[in-house]
Amino acid sequence: NAGVTQTPKFQVLKTGQSMTLQCAQDMNHEYMSWYRQDPGMGLRLIHYSVGAGITDQGEVPNGYNVSRSTTEDFPLRLLSAAPSQTSVYFCASTTDPLRTEAFFGQGTRLTVV
Amino acid sequence: GESVGLHLPTLSVQEGDNSIINCAYSNSASDYFIWYKQESGKGPQFIIDIRSNMDKRQGQRVTVLLNKTVKHLSLQIAATQPGDSAVYFCAENSGGSNYKLTFGKGTLLTVNP
Repeated sequence: NAGVTQTPKFQVLKTGQSMTLQCAQDMNHEYMSWYRQDPGMGLRLIHYSVGAGITDQGEVPNGYNVSRSTTEDFPLRLLSAAPSQTSVYFCASTTDPLRTEAFFGQGTRLTVV
Repeated sequence: GESVGLHLPTLSVQEGDNSIINCAYSNSASDYFIWYKQESGKGPQFIIDIRSNMDKRQGQRVTVLLNKTVKHLSLQIAATQPGDSAVYFCAENSGGSNYKLTFGKGTLLTVNP
């Protein structure tokens, strides 16, 4: 039972570098989201998708891009990493927006130096 | 209570005691309120939810209370166990959009054996 899988678990980037955080789910969920978690704070929504080919911005989208070419995958791209993007990133998925249970991955801890 | 800066509110209890974790929410239009548990190094895990038209809901060892008048949510854990040690977040789901959750800042619960 894989659920929501995020890779990598840890990453260190230099300022200005780009990278993609991977998120895959095997539950055939239509809805997927990316959140970031900073110390002492709750999770904040970056981007979300309501189905393949459909994405939209959340609360803190600047500096991040997303795409949803398949139901299973929802990668998050950092085009030019900044120290302010040092955070733990969580991907989540759900099958029914009227339910409340969203399933989260284990997270990617990103440090930008 | 409210967090200050980077410091999470903390609650320390003895094993076997009952725990009460509080949360103030912001959006009067939220349909559902959810409690998540996050253990160190892991993603949030769904515990229990409550609809906005209810004021109490019970699960296994947990009870959620909702006071819409003062926009307050609480999670009660009975007979707290060491395995309950974690950060607990409340979250709001507005308009049937559980892919766009709004999280509170979290409370760190430590259970002493």
